[in-house]
Amino acid sequence: DQQVKQNSPSLSVQEGRISILNCDYTNSMFDYFLWYKKYPAEGPTFLISISSIKDKNEDGRFTVFLNKSAKHLSLHIVPSQPGDSAVYFCAASARAGNNRKLIWGLGTSLAVNP
Amino acid sequence: SQTIHQWPATLVQPVGSPLSLECTVEGTSNPNLYWYRQAAGRGLQLLFYSVGIGQISSEVPQNLSASRPQDRQFILSSKKLLLSDSGFYLCAWSTNLAQYFGPGTRLLVL
Repeated sequence: DQQVKQNSPSLSVQEGRISILNCDYTNSMFDYFLWYKKYPAEGPTFLISISSIKDKNEDGRFTVFLNKSAKHLSLHIVPSQPGDSAVYFCAASARAGNNRKLIWGLGTSLAVNP
Repeated sequence: SQTIHQWPATLVQPVGSPLSLECTVEGTSNPNLYWYRQAAGRGLQLLFYSVGIGQISSEVPQNLSASRPQDRQFILSSKKLLLSDSGFYLCAWSTNLAQYFGPGTRLLVL
């Protein structure tokens, strides 16, 4: 059962426009959410995160929005650049004993066209 | 600053052969360490995690094992590889909320 869902496997956006990547979750115990960017044959790179006590976090061109009542978060990239073309993973975190596990979505492949 | 190393970068192994992938972390102490696998076109599957030396938790039953002989060293092993073990293996570390990944090892079992 997928606790973190990224329902769009791919997204294509024109350079300079906004990219919106969506993520839904089912477990209300998640208290921290993260977005990662992954290029082929490389490890994922941490992009931005948000605590469940907030509804927005912004870092440069990247903004993450959290709607707890809808169990939905989104990553906005504006303006989109060709170098943003990558797979974006949403991950959610809940405490598990002395550890924190990340539950991952399956990713959305973003293509930013020049 | 912290860095994480994985080697080898690419590995081609015959079915039935053993496996040893190594991951080391620099610049941090007592990190949590993780092994993930990404099969082609799929998401990240957590295989093992470790909260300390000699402490290994397995997430899924499989043909693989993990060991943590030192604080900043995490090893993924197999005695006999299967075709289904092919994939992209990623090591990660964390000390707080985010996990930080190594460059990965691409394993092809033939």
